[in-house]
Amino acid sequence: DVKVTQSSRYLVKRTGEKVFLECVQDMDHENMFWYRQDPGLGLRLIYFSYDVKMKEKGDIPEGYSVSREKKERFSLILESASTNQTSMYLCASSLNRGGQYFGAGTRLSVL
Amino acid sequence: QQQVKQSPQSLIVQKGGISIINCAYENTAFDYFPWYQQFPGKGPALLIAIRPDVSEKKEGRFTISFNKSAKQFSLHIMDSQPGDSATYFCAASAHTGGFKTIFGAGTRLFVKA
Repeated sequence: DVKVTQSSRYLVKRTGEKVFLECVQDMDHENMFWYRQDPGLGLRLIYFSYDVKMKEKGDIPEGYSVSREKKERFSLILESASTNQTSMYLCASSLNRGGQYFGAGTRLSVL
Repeated sequence: QQQVKQSPQSLIVQKGGISIINCAYENTAFDYFPWYQQFPGKGPALLIAIRPDVSEKKEGRFTISFNKSAKQFSLHIMDSQPGDSATYFCAASAHTGGFKTIFGAGTRLFVKA
């Protein structure tokens, strides 16, 4: 079974803090994704990566950056957390032309 | 043109009934149509998927019907069970689209016992 592991289930951070969300997949997938999920807004793509050191902006990249130094790991960085970044963050991975496999999510609260 | 429109937003079905969720798309370049199931507090899980060269795909109680000319596809859950109560997302992607997947807004299904 594909396993996508997100480092934290719950995080509470202060406004202005730098926040790192880590994601690791164990199936040698080329593609990795970061989404945020908010009630009524569905899944919104923040960034994705189709290869090591490659990244592409999704639909809502403002206020976020990403890092992919190794194939299995994709990190989401909130440079200066704000209250409007309080959300559920979901990481996913996929092979080319395949379905995505999601982690359990990180519920981030920014106070 | 990139949207995937999903309906209904919510659905209540009796145990043993058929649950039907519909999606429509505009971009004819889409060539992969997955459905995801999400339980509260969990990430979405890939449920079933179809490519446009077939009109139907069945896996157990779950069936995707695909109408290429109408640019519509639907999920049918036969003999719906309370354990099927979850949020369902349709999605679409194109191999030329940089591997991005466009998700529908989701349907919250509740199966009454």
